[in-house]
Amino acid sequence: AQSVTQLGSHVSVSEGALVLLRCNYSSSVPPYLFWYVQYPNQGLQLLLKYTSAATLVKGINGFEAEFKKSETSFHLTKPSAHMRDAAEYFCAVSDQGAQKLVFGQGTRLTINP
Amino acid sequence: DAGITQSPRHKVTETGTPVTLRCHQTENHRYMYWYRQDPGHGLRLIHYSYGVKDTDKGEVSDGYSVSRSKTEDFLLTLESATSSQTSVYFCAISPGQGHEQYFGPGTRLTVT
Repeated sequence: AQSVTQLGSHVSVSEGALVLLRCNYSSSVPPYLFWYVQYPNQGLQLLLKYTSAATLVKGINGFEAEFKKSETSFHLTKPSAHMRDAAEYFCAVSDQGAQKLVFGQGTRLTINP
Repeated sequence: DAGITQSPRHKVTETGTPVTLRCHQTENHRYMYWYRQDPGHGLRLIHYSYGVKDTDKGEVSDGYSVSRSKTEDFLLTLESATSSQTSVYFCAISPGQGHEQYFGPGTRLTVT
């Protein structure tokens, strides 16, 4: 079965520092990959998605992610953190042909002033 | 924002009572999903629908049933609520394969 592992349930960075949130997936075929963000007391909002086009995917709010098939990874980065980036981030994967997403356990990002 | 609403947004109920949560969409998307979110577990799929009257189980379907009699509405029923079903429930919709899912605002359910 498809699975997703997010390394680190909590990540803390200083404002202006690099943000790196890690996601690894298990799949025998190239999957569809997604990053979602959840602000307190809200639903999930799509940040970006990979669907077998360019391996470097740009999303909203300055985030991007790189698909690395050899490492089965889809890490999320942002060059300079802002206070408004404090939220929980979820990586999700879907096999081609499947209509279901499998979510990682989430990473809570804290930004220190 | 995708046109998804959930009702009620908050509910407190007693153990053993039936509870129905409603998801309503205005996007005419084919696929609809119910998830529950619990600390340390991310989002787990309860049931999903791939068309009117077409539904299937997710990974945590025990104790839940669903119905979809119209494209726009997807109902989740807890047949006899238990304290372990205290959670935040999210509905999501999707146009289909390869497409992202759009999430509703969530329903916070407390079973006492």
